[in-house]
Amino acid sequence: KNQVEQSPQSLIILEGKNCTLQCNYTVSPFSNLRWYKQDTGRGPVSLTIMTFSENTKSNGRYTATLDADTKQSSLHITASQLSDSASYICVVSSYSSASKIIFGSGTRLSIRP
Amino acid sequence: DAMVIQNPRYQVTQFGKPVTLSCSQTLNHNVMYWYQQKSSQAPKLLFHYYDKDFNNEADTPDNFQSRRPNTSFCFLDIRSPGLGDAAMYLCATSRDRVGQISYEQYFGPGTRLTVT
Repeated sequence: KNQVEQSPQSLIILEGKNCTLQCNYTVSPFSNLRWYKQDTGRGPVSLTIMTFSENTKSNGRYTATLDADTKQSSLHITASQLSDSASYICVVSSYSSASKIIFGSGTRLSIRP
Repeated sequence: DAMVIQNPRYQVTQFGKPVTLSCSQTLNHNVMYWYQQKSSQAPKLLFHYYDKDFNNEADTPDNFQSRRPNTSFCFLDIRSPGLGDAAMYLCATSRDRVGQISYEQYFGPGTRLTVT
């Protein structure tokens, strides 16, 4: 069964600290993995997208890693800011059809001053 | 500039009263998607259009319909909304099917639907 599991479900850290969010997937055949940031009451906004051959991709303070062998990805946030408070969603696509876009249920990140 | 626009941002409708949500895009993308997202849950794909080709998800209730009169616009019609249909409805676009290559998927801000 195609699944995307994220951990932790929620996380609270102090402003300025780093954190790492995890994503494990069983989607097959794998096409790409994306990380989105979703502010409360808004649509998701893309942070990174990675294909099978990519191990690391950065977008400012956000760095995503992908291990296609173990089917794991992580999103590392450096020097967190209050504006980083949001849900972070891992999405894995399969190349068979548009229906094979599997969303994780997200990690709710709260940054405290 | 907004690329995927959804109107209205907030919609209140009565139980059983038909409602239409609107999505437009300035990206000229081939694919448009409609998702339902309930509180603290992942978005759930309802259906998508690949150009004019409509693709319904197997578990999408018949109560939900969609229209795409042209490339730019796509509508979500809920024929008889129930209390369980209260949710955020997200529209998204992509240049082509995201599964075939790493095409980006762009989301609109969403429409929050309340059913009274």
